[in-house]
Amino acid sequence: GQQLNQSPQSMFIQEGEDVSMNCTSSSIFNTWLWYKQDPGEGPVLLIALYKAGELTSNGRLTAQFGITRKDSFLNISASIPSDVGIYFCAGPGYNFNKFYFGSGTKLNVKP
Amino acid sequence: KAGVTQTPRYLIKTRGQQVTLSCSPISGHRSVSWYQQTPGQGLQFLFEYFSETQRNKGNFPGRFSGRQFSNSRSEMNVSTLELGDSALYLCASWDTSYEQYFGPGTRLTVT
Repeated sequence: GQQLNQSPQSMFIQEGEDVSMNCTSSSIFNTWLWYKQDPGEGPVLLIALYKAGELTSNGRLTAQFGITRKDSFLNISASIPSDVGIYFCAGPGYNFNKFYFGSGTKLNVKP
Repeated sequence: KAGVTQTPRYLIKTRGQQVTLSCSPISGHRSVSWYQQTPGQGLQFLFEYFSETQRNKGNFPGRFSGRQFSNSRSEMNVSTLELGDSALYLCASWDTSYEQYFGPGTRLTVT
C-alpha cells in the first residue's frame, strides 16, 4: 500500500541556519500537506499543496509539490528556537480513500 | 471560527476501565478522524467518520469504537483499557479540501 517516507528522522541545527526535509511516496499523491507538532499538542497545518510543481510559502517556510507527484519538500529559512518540533508530511492517497502521514522529522534548534 | 476542541485534555484511568473521548469539529466540517499517537509508533489511524457513517477504520482491536452525531461531533470509546492504550488521542476535522485540522488532543494515561 501507499506509504510516506520522510527524511531526515531528526536534525540538530544552529539558530539562523536553513533547514530542508522531504517526503516521498511509492504512489502518486494529489495533495501534500505539511504539519508542525509541538510536544503534547496537536499538529498544526503549515502549508497545503495541490498542484505538481507548485511552490508555496508561509513566512520563512517554503514547500514544493514534486513534479513526479511522488514527493514534496519543506524548507525553513533562518531557523529560530521556536521552530523546534516535529514536522510531518501528509496527504490523502490517490483515490482519496485514506489519509497518510509521514513518520516525522524532529527538528532541534540550538540558540 | 473556533478550532477543533477535544475533551478532556488529560485523563488517568486504571486497567480494565473504559473511557470516552469527545471531539467537536470546526463548524461546517462534516468529516472527523481519530488518531492514536505514541512516541514509538507515530500517528496511527483509528477511524474516520462522515455524516454519522464510519468510512474507514484502522487496524485496532474491537475495544476501540467511535461514533459521530448529526451535529458532526464525534466520540471514541475504549473498553477494557490496557497499559498500552496510554497515548495522545488526536481528532481532526476537515471539509472537501482534505486539509485536516487537529485538536489539541487528549492525553490518556492507563495505570
